[in-house]
Amino acid sequence: GQNIDQPTEMTATEGAIVQINCTYQTSGFNGLFWYQQHAGEAPTFLSYNVLDGLEEKGRFSSFLSRSKGYSYLLLKELQMKDSASYLCAVSLWITGGGNKLTFGTGTQLKVEL
Amino acid sequence: GAVVSQHPSWVICKSGTSVKIECRSLDFQATTMFWYRQFPKQSLMLMATSNEGSKATYEQGVEKDKFLINHASLTLSTLTVTSAHPEDSSFYICSARVRARSSYEQYFGPGTRLTVT
Repeated sequence: GQNIDQPTEMTATEGAIVQINCTYQTSGFNGLFWYQQHAGEAPTFLSYNVLDGLEEKGRFSSFLSRSKGYSYLLLKELQMKDSASYLCAVSLWITGGGNKLTFGTGTQLKVEL
Repeated sequence: GAVVSQHPSWVICKSGTSVKIECRSLDFQATTMFWYRQFPKQSLMLMATSNEGSKATYEQGVEKDKFLINHASLTLSTLTVTSAHPEDSSFYICSARVRARSSYEQYFGPGTRLTVT
């Protein structure tokens, strides 16, 4: 079956850097997404990796190693508003065409002063 | 950017009644939409994949006769929870797929909070 693991909770200090890891064991992999979700709201897209390496977008960077089944999301210059749940989602091919996302359990990040 | 709307944003219904939730892609056409359910402090669980003009594909364990999905046009998909029970109370989120680069990105609607009393 599909297995996606993330730490349940993390705490970091405002202005610091935090790395959220995600490991996966899936079949039919065709990309990995990171989403941010504030309580009671829908997820918002942060990043997408399909090839190995680092993708940087402002304060957020995401890394992927397909051979290791590993990704991380790096948040720099943390702000209080970054307190949210961060969801790792793997895109999988669907039999018959197309793809679908399978989500990890999410990492609840708390940013403190 | 790609905007997805849902209506209603929240609904309270009595046990045994049916509730319809709409999902619309506002500025693009979505051949595929997805319906998720999220219980408190849990991640999103895919319920079904909805393709325009064809029957939805349900994930294992999701009752197709209870959760009716209709994808009548390229911009609208509906989820009807039939004979709702308190255990159906949850946050229901739809998403629409947009082609980007070599694969697809999904954009999510704001979600619908269903409470069954």
